[in-house]
Amino acid sequence: EVHLVESGGGLVQPGGSLRLSCAASGFTIRNFWMGWVRQAPGKGLEWVANIKEDGSEKDYVDSVKGRFTISRDNARNSLFLQMNSLRAEDTAVFYCAALSYMAFDIWGQGTVVIVSS
Amino acid sequence: QSALTQPASVSGSLGQSITISCTGTSSDVGSYNFVSWYQQHPGKAPKFMIYEVTKRPSGVSNRFSGSKSGNTASLTISGLQAEDEADYYCCSSAGGTTRWIFGGGTKLTVL
Repeated sequence: EVHLVESGGGLVQPGGSLRLSCAASGFTIRNFWMGWVRQAPGKGLEWVANIKEDGSEKDYVDSVKGRFTISRDNARNSLFLQMNSLRAEDTAVFYCAALSYMAFDIWGQGTVVIVSS
Repeated sequence: QSALTQPASVSGSLGQSITISCTGTSSDVGSYNFVSWYQQHPGKAPKFMIYEVTKRPSGVSNRFSGSKSGNTASLTISGLQAEDEADYYCCSSAGGTTRWIFGGGTKLTVL
């Protein structure tokens, strides 16, 4: 059975940093574009970032460009999101997802990020 | 870029059919046949229901179907069941294959 498990969320002060991790099992991520999607409390889904199978292409939603960095380690079957200069509006559940058929096919259970003083 | 436009809520009775619309622009929904739909129950991760506008992943009921006309995509659920009550989100490619945009979500209530 395929699984994605996120970790690394928590409470951080505005301006702080967090590094989210996403570990895959039951499949190998090297065959997939991977991405992060977030959901603020009581709000809808928002695409955050994507990374190509080999890491050669990355893209971000405008609101996180220059602050967040997506990366992957195919050997460790893992995806990462380095988040710097965090703001209150970054508070959300962050989901990692594998893309296939040009859609977010496999989702993790999410990790909670709270940015507050 | 603003979220795709979905109705905030829709409702239908058991056994009936409902349709949820998803309106974008010529830069996203209108330009790409990469529209997908997701179902999310409270406190759970989203579940992938439709891809490439009309296609269903294996395991998804054929009561769920998708379509698109111009800048508007639609999800139809026929034969409503109690377990269909959830939030539904559309998603479209926006500017190639690397950028994505979601709809604001629609809460489906089954009466």
